[in-house]
Amino acid sequence: KAGVTQTPRYLIKTRGQQVTLSCSPISGHRSVSWYQQTPGQGLQFLFEYFSETQRNKGNFPGRFSGRQFSNSRSEMNVSTLELGDSALYLCASSRTGEQEKLFFGSGTQLSVL
Amino acid sequence: SQQGEEDPQALSIQEGENATMNCSYKTSINNLQWYRQNSGRGLVHLILIRSNEREKHSGRLRVTLDTSKKSSSLLITASRAADTASYFCATDGIPPGGYQKVTFGTGTKLQVIP
Repeated sequence: KAGVTQTPRYLIKTRGQQVTLSCSPISGHRSVSWYQQTPGQGLQFLFEYFSETQRNKGNFPGRFSGRQFSNSRSEMNVSTLELGDSALYLCASSRTGEQEKLFFGSGTQLSVL
Repeated sequence: SQQGEEDPQALSIQEGENATMNCSYKTSINNLQWYRQNSGRGLVHLILIRSNEREKHSGRLRVTLDTSKKSSSLLITASRAADTASYFCATDGIPPGGYQKVTFGTGTKLQVIP
């Protein structure tokens, strides 16, 4: 069974640009969560999707958005990039998102210059 | 915001020694999980302990949970150089009117010296 796949692995953008990150969950998993990881703030929860619906959202500005498609693949978008958005963005999937372990992708390392 | 706080932030031990990491959290939980992360990579699930369990074992890992103190510990016995990684505790919580979300602690960086 293939694991969680995140693309691209690395991204370099400049301030003001926008970026879209992609996540393909494990087959059969319907819940996809996104996290931002920085050295200073640790792992911060961004949002969680289940069956194309956003069920939960962290405390991030509206520049951060996401969506989930009918095949459970998910994308997150960050508009008007700021230097502080430089981080490792991690996607995790699970069957239901309820009281079970998460399977993580390798992440997308975003650098904003 | 962080739900869990790990202690210590960093730990350096010799190969063969035991490593103990602690996690404290703030609100009631359904379960607590421990994850491991090698530098710059995704997290790997190690063990899940439910709120009605007090102790759980998996290979060289032993996890305890004290819900009265809102704390958990992860013990790695007979450590190996390959155990060098960051370790995170994660707790689930249900915000008002919402669904469960998993939040992570700040992590303990473990270095095992050969």
